[in-house]
Amino acid sequence: EADIYQTPRYLVIGTGKKITLECSQTMGHDKMYWYQQDPGMELHLIHYSYGVNSTEKGDLSSESTVSRIRTEHFPLTLESARPSHTSQYLCASSEVTSGGELFFGEGSRLTVL
Amino acid sequence: KNQVEQSPQSLIILEGKNCTLQCNYTVSPFSNLRWYKQDTGRGPVSLTIMTFSENTKSNGRYTATLDADTKQSSLHITASQLSDSASYICVVSDRGSTLGRLYFGRGTQLTVWP
Repeated sequence: EADIYQTPRYLVIGTGKKITLECSQTMGHDKMYWYQQDPGMELHLIHYSYGVNSTEKGDLSSESTVSRIRTEHFPLTLESARPSHTSQYLCASSEVTSGGELFFGEGSRLTVL
Repeated sequence: KNQVEQSPQSLIILEGKNCTLQCNYTVSPFSNLRWYKQDTGRGPVSLTIMTFSENTKSNGRYTATLDADTKQSSLHITASQLSDSASYICVVSDRGSTLGRLYFGRGTQLTVWP
């Protein structure tokens, strides 16, 4: 079982609020990722990190930001949430870039009213 | 454009029956192909990872096949159980960059009825 944790699992907030989705892993993986997933659609990469102080934007443009101050922690922040940000956000980690297994957290379901 | 197409989009079977899910891809160059199981409201869990040289790989009642020439893969589930109800996602990785980009299919939603 993967040791990667996301909080909160569910969040309902009003427009304009600032939110932070937490992601932590205890496997010592250097690589961490944030994906966005809407119902019936494929996962889209929005952010990734190859190590401490390394963050890059993914394929899907996102107004969110991330930070990687510690190896085990990769939080995602939305400064001002909007209804268009309503989605499932999945955090993942891996050891090797393309060949290694990807371990996912349970996801954070965000609803912005 | 690199793509991963899965079929069928959804499938309903009776408990105990077998089923096969399909994945066609156009990703090139090819590094590996993965099948994930995603329960509703949960994160995906890896079932198998197959490289170019592997034709078949099993994980319990799950058997994945890969034909790298035709760029097709299948996931066969034997003696289905109610707990197999989930979305099954095919993911293909390229080796064209250090990122090793992952291409996700939209998944096949499997429902197993008692």
